[in-house]
Amino acid sequence: GQNIDQPTEMTATEGAIVQINCTYQTSGFNGLFWYQQHAGEAPTFLSYNVLDGLEEKGRFSSFLSRSKGYSYLLLKELQMKDSASYLCAVVDSNYQLIWGAGTKLIIKP
Amino acid sequence: ETGVTQTPRHLVMGMTNKKSLKCEQHLGHNAMYWYKQSAKKPLELMFVYNFKEQTENNSVPSRFSPECPNSSHLFLHLHTLQPEDSALYLCASSPMLAGGPDTQYFGPGTRLTVL
Repeated sequence: GQNIDQPTEMTATEGAIVQINCTYQTSGFNGLFWYQQHAGEAPTFLSYNVLDGLEEKGRFSSFLSRSKGYSYLLLKELQMKDSASYLCAVVDSNYQLIWGAGTKLIIKP
Repeated sequence: ETGVTQTPRHLVMGMTNKKSLKCEQHLGHNAMYWYKQSAKKPLELMFVYNFKEQTENNSVPSRFSPECPNSSHLFLHLHTLQPEDSALYLCASSPMLAGGPDTQYFGPGTRLTVL
């Protein structure tokens, strides 16, 4: 079967750094997405990785290791508005998106 | 952000009601999707339309009936639902172009409660 694992919930402090991990076992791999979803709102695209390595985009970075079936989203200089759920999704061999259940990130002052 | 809109935002219905959810995308995309999102569960893909043709139906019960009259509009017709169908229903669209990631863009969802 296909599986995406993420922690259910994480807590971090404003101004700090947090890393949200995602591990996957899928039939094939054609890329990995990260989305942010604030409560009651639409998921919004954050990043896409298809090659190994780190992609940096402002305060957010996403890392991929295809050999380990592993990705993480790194959030720096945390702000209260970063409190949200973060969804990991993998594109499988049929170009279908396989979704994780999401990680709820709580930021404390 | 008004790229993908959904109406209504909230819906409460009885098990014998018939209602419809509407989605409209203003991004010029070629593919549209319906997802079900339940608390603490992964997004469940329900239906996919590419160029108005249904290409995916993930064993969804017949009480959910999609309709895609053109590449900008998508409906989900609901009939005789069960309480366990209560969830957030998300619509998404994507370019479906060759080459590059096919990033999906989501609407804000319809929060459905079935009594």
